[in-house]
Amino acid sequence: QSALTQPASVSGSPGQSITISCTKTSSDIGDFNYVSWYQQHPGKAPKLMIYDVSNRPSGVSNRFSGSKSANTASLTISGLQAEDEADYYCSSYASGTTFFGAGTKVTVL
Amino acid sequence: QLQLQESGPGLVKPPETLSLTCTVSGDSVKNTRYYWGWIRQPPGKGLEWIGNIYYSGFTHYSPSLKSRVTISIDTSTNQFSLKLNSVAAADTAVYYCARRSALVPDMYDYWGLGTLVTVTS
Repeated sequence: QSALTQPASVSGSPGQSITISCTKTSSDIGDFNYVSWYQQHPGKAPKLMIYDVSNRPSGVSNRFSGSKSANTASLTISGLQAEDEADYYCSSYASGTTFFGAGTKVTVL
Repeated sequence: QLQLQESGPGLVKPPETLSLTCTVSGDSVKNTRYYWGWIRQPPGKGLEWIGNIYYSGFTHYSPSLKSRVTISIDTSTNQFSLKLNSVAAADTAVYYCARRSALVPDMYDYWGLGTLVTVTS
């Protein structure tokens, strides 16, 4: 049982916006102040998309945004594009330990 | 440009020890702004954090793997390594090495390409 719960799949049509949720289910994560999101295409290494809940690394499209409310963090992809089809993992950090969610498969219809 | 490259045997027999090395180029493992870590991914499954090491040798390990894992660092060769002992089929996975910010602890900003390790007799 993962300490972070994500939906198994989310889908949307090109141009639409989708949101992936990530809910903290374990007290091991503490205050849930550190949340990041990774994109992974098949056969590729994960790529950092969001860190510290809502910050984008240099080079990541501004179509990707992150937020958090209480025990649920969210990744929103606006203006969905075919290249966004991938697996997305949320991650959190607490007391030296990194936690990953089970991942969400995003399908572009 | 920073690059991380995993290397090591692709096949390991149970209950032997899995040993992997990550070679870092474009940065120094002595850089005080970063930790260096290992993450794995079983085929068709999600990411699992294994542990991190700082240039000083300070380590953090996953509680579920702590009894079997050792991560070490060699600043003279700019490499860090993973040893996982008493392996079983469940340890079959793609193993990634990655760089993590020391100040922003949820930020794994550079990853290696990953290496598949299969545990089979």
